[in-house]
Amino acid sequence: GAVVSQHPSRVICKSGTSVKIECRSLDFQATTMFWYRQFPKQSLMLMATSNEGSKATYEQGVEKDKFLINHASLTLSTLTVTSAHPEDSSFYICSAGTVGNTEAFFGQGTRLTVV
Amino acid sequence: SQKIEQNSEALNIQEGKTATLTCNYTNYSPAYLQWYRQDPGRGPVFLLLIRENEKEKRKERLKVTFDTTLKQSLFHITASQPADSATYLCARAHGSGNTGKLIFGQGTTLQVKP
Repeated sequence: GAVVSQHPSRVICKSGTSVKIECRSLDFQATTMFWYRQFPKQSLMLMATSNEGSKATYEQGVEKDKFLINHASLTLSTLTVTSAHPEDSSFYICSAGTVGNTEAFFGQGTRLTVV
Repeated sequence: SQKIEQNSEALNIQEGKTATLTCNYTNYSPAYLQWYRQDPGRGPVFLLLIRENEKEKRKERLKVTFDTTLKQSLFHITASQPADSATYLCARAHGSGNTGKLIFGQGTTLQVKP
């Protein structure tokens, strides 16, 4: 299947700083990618849809100014958590699909800890 | 709103037995349901997809059913092994069904004991 690579796998940052997470589709082009967040013992919750060459679409309750998404190429989407707070500590996961496929391919996830 | 519900209690079974996990959905039947495996600290890995008009789908030791009357999907692992221990997620399309845009259940953690 297709490969989605996410980087970094773990990051610790101080409160008030910003963190960038990258999501790359390695062997296919993804016009659309998705960002999820997962808190301990909970399910994945969709945060936003990242669209290549246009603005991201955010789910209800997700602050677009706090979670900046950039999808500048067909193989790369980035999520920047701005002015991070301890409550932003979570597991962030990206996914991508391909035309004609109905399964999703997920990155390995990024564990963000804000101290 | 569309919801996916899975039994959040852990399922503990003995090696060699069949594990059965349940996924229930609300509102209209999705065009398909998907099952993923998630290991601790990792992203989900796709296992099986079953369409609305399919009653059953198999892949090696895995079997999935789709009952639109009960609004339920069952996920079976036969001849279970300790390596099958993981959290299993059920998912449906979010809205119009764009691939990758999914609503997940909370997952059921399976523990297979040797």
